Amino acid sequence: EAQVTQNPRYLITVTGKKLTVTCSQNMNHEYMSWYRQDPGLGLRQIYYSMNVEVTDKGDVPEGYKVSRKEKRNFPLILESPSPNQTSLYFCASTLTAGGPWEQYFGPGTRLTVT
Amino acid sequence: DAKTTQPTSMDCAEGRAANLPCNHSTISGNEYVYWYRQIHSQGPQYIIHGLKNNETNEMASLIITEDRKSSTLILPHATLRDTAVYYCIVTGSSNTGKLIFGQGTTLQVKP
Repeated sequence: EAQVTQNPRYLITVTGKKLTVTCSQNMNHEYMSWYRQDPGLGLRQIYYSMNVEVTDKGDVPEGYKVSRKEKRNFPLILESPSPNQTSLYFCASTLTAGGPWEQYFGPGTRLTVT
Repeated sequence: DAKTTQPTSMDCAEGRAANLPCNHSTISGNEYVYWYRQIHSQGPQYIIHGLKNNETNEMASLIITEDRKSSTLILPHATLRDTAVYYCIVTGSSNTGKLIFGQGTTLQVKP
């Protein structure tokens, strides 16, 4: 089954404790991205990756890092989480950025930083 | 990417067709119209997309006006499980892959 998986699904952590949210897709997609969703602000893109070893900032990259060492994985790293990063996070993937392809979204990771 | 305008909310009776409008008057020639939905706090789900012609798949139909300035998503027989926020997104082939989610239309399907 074609899917995007994220782990963990729920996470409560404390300020400053480094964490990683994993994202994996099984569709051999070149393009992957991360969004965060906050009430009243909708979904906003954090980072995206056009292919392996190619990443770039989205609209709200501050406080986040990503890496793309393998095509299937695109982890989101919060090196020193702060309460304003409490949010619902979604990973997405699609075949390539430029084509009229559907994007597949993961189930979401609800992060709370205290 | 062109800006889209959608009604904030709509109701639909179960079993009836749900027609969700979207205005995208500044759409350019190479931009596609996409529809996604988000049920509660789940990941957004792709529904359908089109360029000029009307499109139909197992989930919905997409009607695009001839001038491409507006479109309508049609769920032919809405069920309670179709209650969701529906997003109309316009994006072109030269973009970075980013989807710009507006506020969308909250569709409430009622028994």
